[in-house]
Amino acid sequence: DTEVTQTPKHLVMGMTNKKSLKCEQHMGHRAMYWYKQKAKKPPELMFVYSYEKLSINESVPSRFSPECPNSSLLNLHLHALQPEDSALYLCASSQEGTTFSAFFGQGTRLTVV
Amino acid sequence: RKEVEQDPGPFNVPEGATVAFNCTYSNSASQSFFWYRQDCRKEPKLLMSVYSSGNEDGRFTAQLNRASQYISLLIRDSKLSDSATYLCVVNLNFNKFYFGSGTKLNVKP
Repeated sequence: DTEVTQTPKHLVMGMTNKKSLKCEQHMGHRAMYWYKQKAKKPPELMFVYSYEKLSINESVPSRFSPECPNSSLLNLHLHALQPEDSALYLCASSQEGTTFSAFFGQGTRLTVV
Repeated sequence: RKEVEQDPGPFNVPEGATVAFNCTYSNSASQSFFWYRQDCRKEPKLLMSVYSSGNEDGRFTAQLNRASQYISLLIRDSKLSDSATYLCVVNLNFNKFYFGSGTKLNVKP
C-alpha cells in the first residue's frame, strides 16, 4: 500500500482544457516531486519542492504549473497540453537530505486528445 | 551523457537462477543509491538502498563501487514473482533522484 495518494488515477483531457493533478502524503516528508513517465521509459524528474518551495524545475514547459499549498499537498496544474504530454505522472515524497529514498504514488495516467 | 546507465535487457532466466544487474553513474558527486522495482503499469517501489559496504536483504544483494561509479544487484534463487523492471536510482544531491533506463527481468517456470 502506498502512502502517497494521487488523484485522479486516470484523466482524459482536450488540448484546450485546464485540469489539475493532486498528490497527498502524511509521512511528514518535506520534499515532494513530480515525475513524468512514458511507456517503456524510466521516470523523468520534472519538479522538486523542498519545504514548500520550488527548488528544482527541470526545464519543464510552462503549460505544466506546480503548486505546493502546504507540506502535505502537491498539485500539478495542466493547461493547453499536447498529445505528446500523454504519460503517467508520478508524485513522490522523501525526507530532506541526501540519504533518503523516495516513495511514489500510484500515478495519474493522463491522455491528451 | 546520461546520469545513470543500465543494460535494458530483457534478462530471461529460469526459476531458481541467479541473475545480476549492473548500473553505472556519471557524476562522482552522487550521494546515495537505490534499487527500485517497477511492475507493469505500477509505480516504482523501493527494493533496497545501496551502501559502500554492500548490503543484503534475503535473496537480494546490492553493491556499490564508488571508485568505478558502479552499482550492482544480485538476485539469487529467482522466483516467478521477481519478474519486473529493476531501476537503478541515484540521488545526485539535495533531492535530485535520477533513474536509469531500467532492466527488465522475466523469470520463466
